[in-house]
Amino acid sequence: GAGVSQSPRYKVAKRGQDVALRCDPISGHVSLFWYQQALGQGPEFLTYFQNEAQLDKSGLPSDRFFAERPEGSVSTLKIQRTQQEDSAVYLCASSLDGFVYSNQPQHFGDGTRLSIL
Amino acid sequence: GDSVTQMEGPVTLSEEAFLTINCTYTATGYPSLFWYVQYPGEGLQLLLKATKADDKGSNKGFEATYRKETTSFHLEKGSVQVSDSAVYFCALSDKGNNRLAFGKGNQVVVIP
Repeated sequence: GAGVSQSPRYKVAKRGQDVALRCDPISGHVSLFWYQQALGQGPEFLTYFQNEAQLDKSGLPSDRFFAERPEGSVSTLKIQRTQQEDSAVYLCASSLDGFVYSNQPQHFGDGTRLSIL
Repeated sequence: GDSVTQMEGPVTLSEEAFLTINCTYTATGYPSLFWYVQYPGEGLQLLLKATKADDKGSNKGFEATYRKETTSFHLEKGSVQVSDSAVYFCALSDKGNNRLAFGKGNQVVVIP
């Protein structure tokens, strides 16, 4: 498809388990973003990649959160030792270029809804 | 840090009514401003944007004007349809980085 694809759409895990969430950006898009959206709230920035380089990870809430994009395309967000407060929708977005002053919009996937029991 | 504030609560209105959703922002620089929409069961979609003061973004009958003097970017539509029922998010992107800062969103319900 032409859009940003995320998998799985839904993930249920027990507290303490590790989870991995996948994002396939639009082909050729340089920039990739992860956001966390709690119920009833707007998305909150987690981390940003330009190609394979993670340029900003200031939004990651703890060292249990780790993201990678090793070949500059697909990205994985990993959460170790999950806690109930990690329950949220995780959104991935990509944009065409990596220029700081670019007006290129971010295109969002449908998200992964993570529930920690 | 940069932040966006949207008016509290859902908005319920009748078809063909006038819609306004308020959005104000706080930013250290001169941000770009956006409205995103999330239709039921779908992902976030860019509705419109404005990149500098006094710019007006428009799309699908929706409009918003970048007001630097009041730090606002209110969304308006003159005559809503049932198909406009969705959640609307105001967001900003400071030109010092690429990330978006979102408001909490407003659920809009249009009744036939």
